[in-house]
Amino acid sequence: DGGITQSPKYLFRKEGQNVTLSCEQNLNHDAMYWYRQDPGQGLRLIYYSQIVNDFQKGDIAEGYSVSREKKESFPLTVTSAQKNPTAFYLCASSWVSGGARVAKNIQYFGAGTRLSVL
Amino acid sequence: KQEVTQIPAALSVPEGENLVLNCSFTDSAIYNLQWFRQDPGKGLTSLLLIQSSQREQTSGRLNASLDKSSGRSTLYIAASQPGDSATYLCAVALDSGYSTLTFGKGTMLLVSP
Repeated sequence: DGGITQSPKYLFRKEGQNVTLSCEQNLNHDAMYWYRQDPGQGLRLIYYSQIVNDFQKGDIAEGYSVSREKKESFPLTVTSAQKNPTAFYLCASSWVSGGARVAKNIQYFGAGTRLSVL
Repeated sequence: KQEVTQIPAALSVPEGENLVLNCSFTDSAIYNLQWFRQDPGKGLTSLLLIQSSQREQTSGRLNASLDKSSGRSTLYIAASQPGDSATYLCAVALDSGYSTLTFGKGTMLLVSP
């Protein structure tokens, strides 16, 4: 099955701990994204990556880090510097080049990871 | 900076009603606009995408319109059903070769039997 897989579904972080959220896609998409969603809020962009070994900060990157060592994987680390990490985290992917131009920017989302603080 | 606003924040209707969800954006230089559906605790499902050159898109009982010059889009749901209950999110992509999405806060819809 083609799609985006996020794991784990639920994650708990202790004070001062770094935790990593996994995002894997087998859609052969170029770009991958991480969003944060708080209750009653829209999605806010944390980081995004257009190609392997390259990524850019989004609107709320402070306290987070990412890597893009493989095209299909874009893990997000929530560091101890993120003082309010409790939220629903969504990963997405899309084509950037190739295929029909209309296909660009259509983002496909994973099922999300809910992060809570112990 | 692009800002996206959705009105109303919540809507409750009886089954069978036709309804309209509104989305407005501050920067009209958009590449496209998407409407998403989100069920509680789930990811997002893309419903409709309208390119900046288009005026509307239809999928089944859903119709989305775009007025780029006035910075507005509407999502029309015909003959609503309880299964339509979800949060509907609007998102815009700016007019560049590659861009990220800016989301509204969503409209929470409840359709009662």
